[in-house]
Amino acid sequence: EIVLTQSPGTLSLSPGEGATLSCRASQSVSSNYLAWYQQKPGQAPRLLIYGASSRATGIPDRFSGSGSGTDFILTISRLEPEDFAVYYCQQYGSSPQMFGQGTKVEIK
Amino acid sequence: QVQLVQSGAEVKKPGASVKVSCKASGYTFASYAVHWVRQAPGQGLEWLGWINAAYGNTKLSQKFQGRVALTRDTSATTAYMELSSLTSEDTAVYYCARTYTEEFDASDIWGQGTMVTVSS
Repeated sequence: EIVLTQSPGTLSLSPGEGATLSCRASQSVSSNYLAWYQQKPGQAPRLLIYGASSRATGIPDRFSGSGSGTDFILTISRLEPEDFAVYYCQQYGSSPQMFGQGTKVEIK
Repeated sequence: QVQLVQSGAEVKKPGASVKVSCKASGYTFASYAVHWVRQAPGQGLEWLGWINAAYGNTKLSQKFQGRVALTRDTSATTAYMELSSLTSEDTAVYYCARTYTEEFDASDIWGQGTMVTVSS
């Protein structure tokens, strides 16, 4: 199975700042089948990015994804108050599908 | 609108089974797969498996083979996840989520989650 390691565990930032979240895979992710989700307390995950770099429907363009192979990045260009949440990466190119352990973006 | 609505919270004793439902609306149920993912309190996300809503074939994470059964009722546009031989480690929120293809696709719509508590 492919293990996903996210870093940092917690990111403390102020609204308006940019955020860079990392997701590293233990082996190459097939066809860049890598997604990013946002989860707020008490809510289900929300799909942000699929295919490593494609934004899901309705996702603001301040969210962008990049990377390939084993190293992937989620960038939030300017944090809005509603962006403070936990972010998970997921690989869905091989079974079992796996999620990273999450990065919490908190208000500084 | 497109949505998945799950059944309510459950409290079960160790050794029992639980069955969670996931009702789809707003889209053609049989054109998508349904995945199941769980999240233990304060923990990350764990994938259990998927079911093809049209044909009923399934794929499970090896960790849950023999203990999880995924089924669906196309007339009711509802998918089900049954987990048996429950232990306290199965205490979690269980989510259903749809994908357009069974594999190689991310989940764009999620249910609201069902809390399953296992306690004696």
